Amino acid sequence: NAGVMQNPRHLVRRRGQEARLRCSPMKGHSHVYWYRQLPEEGLKFMVYLQKENIIDESGMPKERFSAEFPKEGPSILRIQQVVRGDSAAYFCASSVTGTSGRKSYEQYFGPGTRLTVT
Amino acid sequence: ILNVEQSPQSLHVQEGDSTNFTCSFPSSNFYALHWYRWETAKSPEALFVMTLNGDEKKKGRISATLNTKEGYSYLYIKGSQPEDSATYLCAFGGGGFKTIFGAGTRLFVKA
Repeated sequence: NAGVMQNPRHLVRRRGQEARLRCSPMKGHSHVYWYRQLPEEGLKFMVYLQKENIIDESGMPKERFSAEFPKEGPSILRIQQVVRGDSAAYFCASSVTGTSGRKSYEQYFGPGTRLTVT
Repeated sequence: ILNVEQSPQSLHVQEGDSTNFTCSFPSSNFYALHWYRWETAKSPEALFVMTLNGDEKKKGRISATLNTKEGYSYLYIKGSQPEDSATYLCAFGGGGFKTIFGAGTRLFVKA
């Protein structure tokens, strides 16, 4: 059973370009979380998705950032018109169920995508 | 504002020492408390999920306890080994959907 896959592992973009980060959850997992780790900081929650639904995007900047988790295919975190401050490691995690039910399941993390904006 | 505090920020111990770290979290609207182990250049690895006050979990030499009424959890490592060197993260799941991570405790175990 493959773990959570993220690609690319490293992404370099110039200011103003778009960045697309992909996350394939573990087999059987239908819940995906995106986190951002800025330099010298911890993990910050961005968004929580189920298939075809955004459940909680309260940690995601209102502008330029969007996320989706289509019925088929990976979850995508999209950053439009990137700026230098977007440079960070972006981690995706998946779980069997989300935190909305009475039982909270472990989140399994992918290896992350390191975005560098030049 | 939900805040998760971990202490100490970093810890240096000798091989064979036992050690423990603290995670403090909001005591209201508690849902779950997670512990993760994060080695450099790897992704966080789940250690424990605890949901009930008084929960105790154990995996090998690592164990954790939970007190939801006062809002803290301890992680213990017995007989630390160099391979235990990592950052240990705790994460609080409240009544909503977010998981709020602490900044972590960075453990260095010297052989």
